[in-house]
Amino acid sequence: DVKVTQSSRYLVKRTGEKVFLECVQDMDHENMFWYRQDPGLGLRLIYFSYDVKMKEKGDIPEGYSVSREKKERFSLILESASTNQTSMYLCASRVVGANVLTFGAGSRLTVL
Amino acid sequence: TQLLEQSPQFLSIQEGENLTVYCNSSSVFSSLQWYRQEPGEGPVLLVTVVTGGEVKKLKRLTFQFGDARKDSSLHITAAQPGDTGLYLCAGAQSSYKLIFGSGTRLLVRP
Repeated sequence: DVKVTQSSRYLVKRTGEKVFLECVQDMDHENMFWYRQDPGLGLRLIYFSYDVKMKEKGDIPEGYSVSREKKERFSLILESASTNQTSMYLCASRVVGANVLTFGAGSRLTVL
Repeated sequence: TQLLEQSPQFLSIQEGENLTVYCNSSSVFSSLQWYRQEPGEGPVLLVTVVTGGEVKKLKRLTFQFGDARKDSSLHITAAQPGDTGLYLCAGAQSSYKLIFGSGTRLLVRP
């Protein structure tokens, strides 16, 4: 089974802190994605990466950056966390050509 | 970014009842997917429909893609507590972009 692992399931941070959310997939997928999930808003795409060192902005990139130095790892960075970034963050991956996502279990971030 | 509108947003039913969840948009999609998300987990793909008018069945779940490929429905027959979860539809507009619906939270009471 494809596995997408988000190591931090629950985080509590203070306003202004730098936050790293890590995501690792074990099936050699080229594409990786970061979404945030908020009640009533569905999933909104923050950033995605076609391949190593490649990244593209999604629909809501403001306040976020990403890093993809290795194929299996895609990191989401909040340079200076704010309370409106309190949310569930979902990482996903897929193989090129198949528009089917495999999601991690999510990282619930609370910014105080 | 246009969301897919899902209705209802929340549904609480008794075990054994039938239900239908709707997913509507004014945009055309090349394909449409349904995911189920259980508490504490990420969404898991249930089905992909590709052709306008297509109907797919997965045990007690029936998925339909609208003729114009703008809408979809999910019908569950004889719901069971194990069907409880958040149901998300997602429309594909390009090779990489999925537009997700707002979600329908289903609770099936024993």
